[in-house]
Amino acid sequence: EAQVTQNPRYLITVTGKKLTVTCSQNMNHEYMSWYRQDPGLGLRQIYYSMNVEVTDKGDVPEGYKVSRKEKRNFPLILESPSPNQTSLYFCASSLGLGYTGRYHFGSGTRLTVV
Amino acid sequence: KQEVTQIPAALSVPEGENLVLNCSFTDSAIYNLQWFRQDPGKGLTSLLLIQSSQREQTSGRLNASLDKSSGRSTLYIAASQPGDSATYLCAVRPTQGGSEKLVFGKGTKLTVNP
Repeated sequence: EAQVTQNPRYLITVTGKKLTVTCSQNMNHEYMSWYRQDPGLGLRQIYYSMNVEVTDKGDVPEGYKVSRKEKRNFPLILESPSPNQTSLYFCASSLGLGYTGRYHFGSGTRLTVV
Repeated sequence: KQEVTQIPAALSVPEGENLVLNCSFTDSAIYNLQWFRQDPGKGLTSLLLIQSSQREQTSGRLNASLDKSSGRSTLYIAASQPGDSATYLCAVRPTQGGSEKLVFGKGTKLTVNP
């Protein structure tokens, strides 16, 4: 089954403790992206990757890092989480540059930073 | 800068009613428009994708229309059911920007009462 898998689904952590949210897709998609969803602000893009070793900032990249060492994986790294990063996070993938079809989204990771 | 607005923010209807959700966007330079469904705390389920050259798409009781020139889309739900209760998100894929991102509206929260 074609899918985007995020882990963990829920995470509660303390300020400053480094964490990684994993994202994996099994569709051989070139493009992957991270969004965060906050009440009243909607979904906003954090980082995106056009292909292996190619990543770039989205609209709200501060406080986040990403890597794309393999095509299928696109982890989101919070080196020193802060309470304002409490949010619902989504990973998405699509075939690649210029593709105008559907984006596939993961089930989301609800992160709470205390 | 592309902005997407969804009206109303919340809607409550009795079961069986036909209803329309509205989405407007400020820049007509889009590849496509997509409607998503989101259940509380859950991921995004893609409902319908309309390419910029198309006027509408249908899936079961759902029909989405697109008027690119006026920057509007509607999602029509026929014979609503309590199981349709969810938040519905509209997203456009701009042709400008280079990040391949989707620009989301803040959603319409639909409640269908038995």
